[in-house]
Amino acid sequence: QVQLVQSGAEVKKPGASVKVSCKASGYTFTSYYMHWVRQAPGQGLEWMGIINPSGGSASYAQKLQGRVTMTSDTSTSTVYMELSSLRSEDTAVYYCARATVIVGFAYWGQGTLITVSS
Amino acid sequence: EIVLTQSPGTLSLSPGERATLSCRASQSVSSSYLAWYQQKPGQAPRLLIYGASSRATGIPDRFSGSGSGTDFTLTISRLEPEDFAVYYCQHYGSSPITFGQGTRLEIK
Repeated sequence: QVQLVQSGAEVKKPGASVKVSCKASGYTFTSYYMHWVRQAPGQGLEWMGIINPSGGSASYAQKLQGRVTMTSDTSTSTVYMELSSLRSEDTAVYYCARATVIVGFAYWGQGTLITVSS
Repeated sequence: EIVLTQSPGTLSLSPGERATLSCRASQSVSSSYLAWYQQKPGQAPRLLIYGASSRATGIPDRFSGSGSGTDFTLTISRLEPEDFAVYYCQHYGSSPITFGQGTRLEIK
C-alpha cells in the first residue's frame, strides 16, 4: 500500500533553515509527482510546490520563490523540502502529497510540525 | 491565480440531515481538475471527490460532487457523526494549485 512517512517535528530560530523529508513506499517512486502543502495553526491549506522525483525538476509557489528548494533521492525513494530564512509566519504543519493530474492529491504524509520561535 | 471561495464558512447541522457546501472560482475551472477534501483535527486531508464528481476510492456514496465553470457543490446526503469536519475545495489543473479557505461542518 502507498505510504508517505515524514520526518519529525522541529523547532527552529528565525533566520534558520529546515529540511523536511518524505519517504515513499508501496509504488514506483519515479512514476508520480510529489507536492508540498503547508497549514499554519488554525488556518487553511497552502500549496508550496511540486517536484518530479524522476529528474528532480521542481516548480514553486511564487510567494516562496527563493526560499524553498525541493529535491529527491531515488536511491531511498525520498523527497525533501528545504525552507530557508525562516520567519514566525512559517510555523505550520508541512505535508507531502502524491498526486496525479487525473485524481489530485490521493495520498498524504502524516505531516511535520515546524515551529519557528526565538 | 484562481481564487476559490467557499460558503458558508461554518455549517451547523444534525446527524441525518443533508449538507450542501459551495465552492466558487474567480474564473472558469475545468471540471476535470476540481477536488474536495475532508480534514479532521490532527489529521492530514483526505481526498473525497476528484474531477468535480468522481468519488475517490473507499468514499461512501453519501458524498457527491457536482458543478461546472465557476460553481461547484459538495453534497453529503445524510450526515453521519464522523462527517463533522472541515472541507476544502481545490483546483489542481494548473499552477498555482489553490485551495478554498474551508467550510467547517459542525454538529448542531
